[in-house]
Amino acid sequence: DAMVIQNPRYQVTQFGKPVTLSCSQTLNHNVMYWYQQKSSQAPKLLFHYYDKDFNNEADTPDNFQSRRPNTSFCFLDIRSPGLGDAAMYLCATSRAGGQETQYFGPGTRLLVL
Amino acid sequence: AQSVTQLDSQVPVFEEAPVELRCNYSSSVSVYLFWYVQYPNQGLQLLLKYLSGSTLVKGINGFEAEFNKSQTSFHLRKPSVHISDTAEYFCAVSPSGYSTLTFGKGTMLLVSP
Repeated sequence: DAMVIQNPRYQVTQFGKPVTLSCSQTLNHNVMYWYQQKSSQAPKLLFHYYDKDFNNEADTPDNFQSRRPNTSFCFLDIRSPGLGDAAMYLCATSRAGGQETQYFGPGTRLLVL
Repeated sequence: AQSVTQLDSQVPVFEEAPVELRCNYSSSVSVYLFWYVQYPNQGLQLLLKYLSGSTLVKGINGFEAEFNKSQTSFHLRKPSVHISDTAEYFCAVSPSGYSTLTFGKGTMLLVSP
């Protein structure tokens, strides 16, 4: 089945220790998104790629970076995680266009100790 | 800029009862409207979307929603809920021509026997 895969499902890191979350897709979609979702809150878009074109949201902290080496893979790097970065991180993909459905992965829950 | 308001953070309902989850939006441009569902510890899944045409949209799992332009609303309804409908429901908007979504804060639907 075509899908969006996120690894790992749970990630524990230490305060200030860099961490990378990964996302892969078999849908061959050209847009990939990273969202941060804190407990009982709406998903908040951090950034998205339109093919290799990177689009950062204005209020995304510099601590968050992303890489998309090819169509299938996208990574979220948190350079120096703080306690406030503990959250569920959701990856999604879609075809281009506002009418297109976004397909979400199961998420990675990040815990910062 | 767009915004989405989901007035009810929680909606408790008994099994087989009807339910309506409310969503209002504001936008200075034309938008597409979506409802997504999130089951515990999972990613989001599309229930239905309104792009154009008939204002009554039918989705998966027996859900439907009605677009009301004059009231800028897109309320979600189901005539008879099941225990398995217990989940968080997010309303979202996307500006026409753009791929990004703005989510509401979500409504937790709690179905009890």
